Amino acid sequence: KNEVEQSPQNLTAQEGEFITINCSYSVGISALHWLQQHPGGGIVSLFMLSSGKKKHGRLIATINIQEKHSSLHITASHPRDSAVYICAVRSYNTDKLIFGTGTRLQVFP
Amino acid sequence: KAGVTQTPRYLIKTRGQQVTLSCSPISGHRSVSWYQQTPGQGLQFLFEYFSETQRNKGNFPGRFSGRQFSNSRSEMNVSTLELGDSALYLCASSLNVASGHGYTFGSGTRLTVV
Repeated sequence: KNEVEQSPQNLTAQEGEFITINCSYSVGISALHWLQQHPGGGIVSLFMLSSGKKKHGRLIATINIQEKHSSLHITASHPRDSAVYICAVRSYNTDKLIFGTGTRLQVFP
Repeated sequence: KAGVTQTPRYLIKTRGQQVTLSCSPISGHRSVSWYQQTPGQGLQFLFEYFSETQRNKGNFPGRFSGRQFSNSRSEMNVSTLELGDSALYLCASSLNVASGHGYTFGSGTRLTVV
């Protein structure tokens, strides 16, 4: 079993829909990151969380440390949000980043 | 301000050769980390450097090595290339290694081993 699991693996949506991507992890962590990767490979760091909730524009990320779970929400989705979203955790014990396998999101107009 | 610069962007090498990839972090960032991304394994951590010292290393064979210079620029080297080393190699820089700081990623070097 992977130490970082994301769901769903693939997601399609119509423009304007509310989207949720989930991340569950099994190790103790010092931080959790949400990353966005567009076709061509470039990765953008969206959020880094160690507790609570963060918001940036239409993106909201939450984390529940007790339940070892994080969610990334996109409100009013847009075709330009189409990308792979990757959850990564920094292990408290090894201090290494462990990545989920990503969620491929396609938003259609 | 300039982002994280990785060179070269694309590279084709033959099995058995070696390769050196370069990463220039954002000015003032002292931490550089390297990652390998393949369709089969996804993103995997390679190394992390801070102030010229390797802080951490992923589960890769000794053919993979790296270093960081006094200006924070970093290089990684892969010797005796294998077909399975074909991947996108990404580096990321951060202000320091503390968990309170996020990462800025470069565009990557796409290595093809033939």
